[in-house]
Amino acid sequence: DAGVIQSPRHEVTEMGQEVTLRCKPISGHNSLFWYRQTMMRGLELLIYFNNNVPIDDSGMPEDRFSAKMPNASFSTLKIQPSEPRDSAVYFCASSLGTGGFGTEAFFGQGTRLTVV
Amino acid sequence: SQELEQSPQSLIVQEGKNLTINCTSSKTLYGLYWYKQKYGEGLIFLMMLQKGGEEKSHEKITAKLDEKKQQSSLHITASQPSHAGIYLCGADGYSGSARQLTFGSGTQLTVLP
Repeated sequence: DAGVIQSPRHEVTEMGQEVTLRCKPISGHNSLFWYRQTMMRGLELLIYFNNNVPIDDSGMPEDRFSAKMPNASFSTLKIQPSEPRDSAVYFCASSLGTGGFGTEAFFGQGTRLTVV
Repeated sequence: SQELEQSPQSLIVQEGKNLTINCTSSKTLYGLYWYKQKYGEGLIFLMMLQKGGEEKSHEKITAKLDEKKQQSSLHITASQPSHAGIYLCGADGYSGSARQLTFGSGTQLTVLP
């Protein structure tokens, strides 16, 4: 299996532009997580999907952030409009199991976002 | 939400030395995960602990779960430069019926040759 695949690996954009990050989870996994990692705040959980349904989006920082999972093999995280403080590494992870408890999550390589 | 505190924040050791990283939870631990991350890369799963008193080992890395203390420790024996990286503990928690897999702030390990 190729693992969790994220694209792009690097993204540089100007403030105010829309940014879309993409994730393909491991086939058969039914839980998907989006995280953001910064030096100041560490690894923060943004949103969690189970069976393509958003279960907990309490970590999404603002209305500028939105995430979708139209099917079991694809998810997007969109920032519109982007701001310099959104600069971070964004990770997608997937896991197997009902509700996901007690099963390890597998992470993608991340997307390094820089907003200038 | 569940908070995980890791200590130390950073650690520099000489190759061959043993070391321990600790992870303490603010709430009951239902599942505790250890991951390793190299700079600029994704997290690599190391081990998962679920039962109080559980201990697992992989090569020179051993992790223990003290459920009563809501704490886990990661011990590396005879450290090598390849062990260098950021070690993160993660834990399952509940937010209503939703899973919250949250992480500590990480421990930066440097192993000097």
